[in-house]
Amino acid sequence: AQSVTQLGSHVSVSEGALVLLRCNYSSSVPPYLFWYVQYPNQGLQLLLKYTSAATLVKGINDFEAEFKKSETSFHLTKPSAHMSDAAEYFCAVNNNAGNMLTFGGGTRLMVKP
Amino acid sequence: EPEVTQTPSHQVTQMGQEVILRCVPISNHLYFYWYRQILGQKVEFLVSFYNNEISEKSEIFDDQFSVERPDGSNFTLKIRSTKLEDSAMYFCASSEGELSVDTQYFGPGTRLTVL
Repeated sequence: AQSVTQLGSHVSVSEGALVLLRCNYSSSVPPYLFWYVQYPNQGLQLLLKYTSAATLVKGINDFEAEFKKSETSFHLTKPSAHMSDAAEYFCAVNNNAGNMLTFGGGTRLMVKP
Repeated sequence: EPEVTQTPSHQVTQMGQEVILRCVPISNHLYFYWYRQILGQKVEFLVSFYNNEISEKSEIFDDQFSVERPDGSNFTLKIRSTKLEDSAMYFCASSEGELSVDTQYFGPGTRLTVL
């Protein structure tokens, strides 16, 4: 069965600092991996996805993530945090050849001025 | 930009009552999904629907739950007899194709409170 672990339920960074949100996955087949963001009182918005093409994936708002098979990781990064990046971020993996997404527990990103 | 919409945004019901949560997927999408998020917990898959039938469902999706696409635009989730533990945010999602190719787009959610 697939699973996703997000280390750190809360991450706090200063505005302009590097953002690093960690995601490790478990999958018995080559995975498809996703990062979603949830702003307060809104739905889940796709930031980026990995579907077995380039291992470094670029998404919206200057976010990117790198698929590392050897580490079973798909960490999300952004070079410089903005106040508007404060939100909850979810990493997800698909199930075996299906359309079900398995989500991690989420990481709440706080950005300090 | 097309988006998934859900109504109502908040539903309060008494335990044992039936509720229907409504979703309007993006118009050219063919795959539809329901997920839920109990407060403080992970987003969990409930069911996927394609070609007018359920294609996958989780253990959570028991006989109390059903889904329907009653017309060309709506996709509904019915809970027949609500329990306290059904209180959660319910998200509808849709995609044009399968996950390997296309993105799942999520609606803003319906917060269900069972008293």
